[in-house]
Parts: sequence; structure tokens; C-alpha cells
Amino acid sequence: AQKITQTQPGMFVQEKEAVTLDCTYDTSDQSYGLFWYKQPSSGEMIFLIYQGSYDEQNATEGRYSLNFQKARKSANLVISASQLGDSAMYFCAMRDSMEYGNKLVFGAGTILRVKS
Amino acid sequence: NAGVMQNPRHLVRRRGQEARLRCSPMKGHSHVYWYRQLPEEGLKFMVYLQKENIIDESGMPKERFSAEFPKEGPSILRIQQVVRGDSAAYFCASSPFKLNTEAFFGQGTRLTVV
Repeated sequence: AQKITQTQPGMFVQEKEAVTLDCTYDTSDQSYGLFWYKQPSSGEMIFLIYQGSYDEQNATEGRYSLNFQKARKSANLVISASQLGDSAMYFCAMRDSMEYGNKLVFGAGTILRVKS
Repeated sequence: NAGVMQNPRHLVRRRGQEARLRCSPMKGHSHVYWYRQLPEEGLKFMVYLQKENIIDESGMPKERFSAEFPKEGPSILRIQQVVRGDSAAYFCASSPFKLNTEAFFGQGTRLTVV
């Protein structure tokens, strides 16, 4: 079974600085997908970015980029130019298997606090 | 194009009552996933459904929980005889295809059992 590990329970970052949120995964599949979601205090799940295992380039979406290191099985989220509104819980997730579509396995999450 | 709609947003039930949580996927989406989030934890998969079919229910508790996604209407997650431990946020996600680069989540239903 797939497993996602987020080792940072909480992180602080100064406004306008960049921050990296760690995510490592465990899988024996060759084809897989990795997701990052943001959950603000209001509770909804906001999709941020997706990386496929065969994608040759790291995924980017605006201020979000994914530092994908396949050999190390890591998929770290980089947020550039942090804003106060980035304060939230961040979850890394992985498709459980290609057989079961977008059934996702989530990590425990990292709480990010942006300081002004 | 409305997003994934879940209702109610908040639900309070007394122990022993039934809870019905509804999820209307985005238009054109035929794949629905339910997740549960306990306080201070990540989301845990419960069940994956397509129209009229349960594809994977490996995350569903064996008793009191059931889910359906009929040909017409929303997907329903039903919890019978609720207990305090059922208090959690329940999220629904939908996808247009089996393998999509984004799973679109609803805003969740927060169930409180008193």
C-alpha cells in the first residue's frame, strides 16, 4: 500500500519569503500521481498542484512548485513569496493505485504560519 | 459550473440517530470518493463509487456505514446509529475520469454527535 510521510508538523515563514514543505512517499508502482492540497481554517480542501511520475519537469502553478526527486521518493512543495493568506494546513497525497482512480492516500499534514 | 456541493455543511445528531450526508458531484463527473477527517488528522479514504456501482469500499467501517450513488441524484453517505466517535468532517470529491490530475473536493460536512 502507498504511504505518505510529512515530517514537519508545523512551519513558520516570514511574509515574502519562500518555504518548502516536505513530503516523502513509498510505493512499488512505476506509474503514480502526487497531489498537494491546502486546507485553510475554514475547512475546505483546495487543490494546489499535481505531479505525475512520468512527468519530466517539475510541476508549477503560480507561486507553487513541486520539487520532485523520484530517486529519493520525495515531492516537496515550494511556496514562493509567502503571503499571510498562505497560512493553512497543507496535505500531500498520492493515488493509491491506478486501478482505483483518484482514491488518494493523504499525509498527516503540515501547518504553515506566515508571519508579518 | 458549480463545484462539488455537499450538504448539509454542519450536522448535529444525538447518539443512536441516523446521519445522511449528500454530495452532488460537478456536472459531468461520474466518479465520487468519500473521505473522513478526524480532528487534527489527514483525510482517510472511505469509499469510491461510480453511478450505481461501488468500486472500492475498503475504507468503510463494516457496520453502520453505507454509501450509494444512484443513476439520478446525489451520492449519499449514510451512518446509522451514530456514536461520538463518528464526529468528524466528511468530504466528497469527484472526477470526470477514472484517472484525473485533480480530484475536486466539496466543502465538507461537519458531523457532531452529542
